[in-house]
Amino acid sequence: QVHLFQSGTELKPPGASVKLSCKASGYSFTSYGVSWVRQAPGKGLEWMGWISTFNGNTNYAQNFQGRVTMTTDTYTTTTYLELTSLTSDDTAVYYCSRDSPHYFQDGVRFDLWGQGTLVTVSS
Amino acid sequence: EVVLTQSPGTLSLSPGERVTLSCRASQSVRSSYLAWYQQKPGQAPRLLIYGASTRAAGIPDRFTGSGSGTDFTLTISRLEAEDFAVYFCQQYVTPPWTFGQGTKVEIK
Repeated sequence: QVHLFQSGTELKPPGASVKLSCKASGYSFTSYGVSWVRQAPGKGLEWMGWISTFNGNTNYAQNFQGRVTMTTDTYTTTTYLELTSLTSDDTAVYYCSRDSPHYFQDGVRFDLWGQGTLVTVSS
Repeated sequence: EVVLTQSPGTLSLSPGERVTLSCRASQSVRSSYLAWYQQKPGQAPRLLIYGASTRAAGIPDRFTGSGSGTDFTLTISRLEAEDFAVYFCQQYVTPPWTFGQGTKVEIK
């Protein structure tokens, strides 16, 4: 069964870092990239960045440059998102999504999503 | 950044009605880089349409996407109970990839 399974809820104080995981199963892992998208409570969707699971190349949204790191482990078919210097504005549900293997590509993208991880930033 | 503006913000409709949702881009978007998603409370988004008009796998044919340039539309021919949700458009031609703010379709 094709699936993306994300790690569990996180509660972090301001200034801390968080590292989330997204494990893929049921498909050829390195044939697709992964994007991360977050959604603040009651708000819309915000794309954070993309990673190639084939070679680890990344492209991050400007809003997160310097604070975000995406990595991938082909042996465990897991992709990671690390976000540093957390503030209350980072409180959101974070989703991983199966994406194109190429950053610039049309066609089917974001066709499979994880269940989401709630990150709460609070003292 | 390409800003996608969706209208209306909320639609109150009854099952069986026809729905037309709008997504307007701040600059031209090549059709093959425009997608639509459905999101229900507590769930992840679900891909409905990509390439502006191609239904994703398993999406019923009551969902139709159309448009080009800066104006795109998602039409639901006859609303069913499971269609009450929030709908987002997205572009992935000019980074950062952006989403519209969403249109909520609620039961009247």
